[in-house]
Amino acid sequence: QKEVEQNSGPLSVPEGAIASLNCTYSDRGSQSFFWYRQYSGKSPELIMSIYSNGDKEDGRFTAQLNKASQYVSLLIRDSQPSDSATYLCAGRGSGSARQLTFGSGTQLTVLP
Amino acid sequence: NAGVTQTPKFQVLKTGQSMTLQCAQDMNHNSMYWYRQDPGMGLRLIYYSASEGTTDKGEVPNGYNVSRLNKREFSLRLESAAPSQTSVYFCASSEAGEREYFGPGTRLTVT
Repeated sequence: QKEVEQNSGPLSVPEGAIASLNCTYSDRGSQSFFWYRQYSGKSPELIMSIYSNGDKEDGRFTAQLNKASQYVSLLIRDSQPSDSATYLCAGRGSGSARQLTFGSGTQLTVLP
Repeated sequence: NAGVTQTPKFQVLKTGQSMTLQCAQDMNHNSMYWYRQDPGMGLRLIYYSASEGTTDKGEVPNGYNVSRLNKREFSLRLESAAPSQTSVYFCASSEAGEREYFGPGTRLTVT
C-alpha cells in the first residue's frame, strides 16, 4: 500500500477558479511535506513545502497541513492555463533515511 | 551553478545490454537519489545515498546497482536491461531533509 495517496484526477477547472488538490499519508511520523509541479516531459519542480499544522501561503498557492487527519492539500487561486500540469505530493518519512515518498500525482487542466 | 545534471538524456537499449546513468550535483548536498517514473505510478525510489560512502535500497532496487563516486556524483547501473526497465529516470539531491532538487531526467527504452 502506497504511503502517500492523492486524488488521482484528472481535474479540470475553468480559468480564474480555485483548484483544490488533496493528499493523505499513512506515516504518522512524517514531519515535512512538499508539493511539486511537473510539466509534461519535464522534471518536478518544487512549489510549496510545509512543516507545521495550518496554512502556508505563497502568492496564488496555499498549502494546508492537518497532522491529526494526516491530510495535506494545495489550493491554487485564480488558476491560469499555465498551471496545467501534474502535481505531486510528497512526504518525508520518519525512518533513519528520511527519504521522500511520492503520491501518484494529480493531473490538472485549467480551461481558458 | 548547473544544479543537478544527468547524462544521457535519451537511450535505447536492447534486452540484456548494460549501461550506466550518470548524475552530478554542484550544490554540495550530502544526499542523492535515483527515481524512476512510469505512467500513473508517480516517482518510485530505486536507491539513495544519505552521504558520501553510503548507499541504500529504496522501493524498487531489483535489477539496478549504484555507486556514490564522491560527494558530487551518483551513478545508476543496469547490468542486464529488461523491457520492464523502460522508464524515465530522475536523479535528485538534497541537504538535511530539505527539498529535493531534480535533474532533467533520462528517457530509457529497452527493446
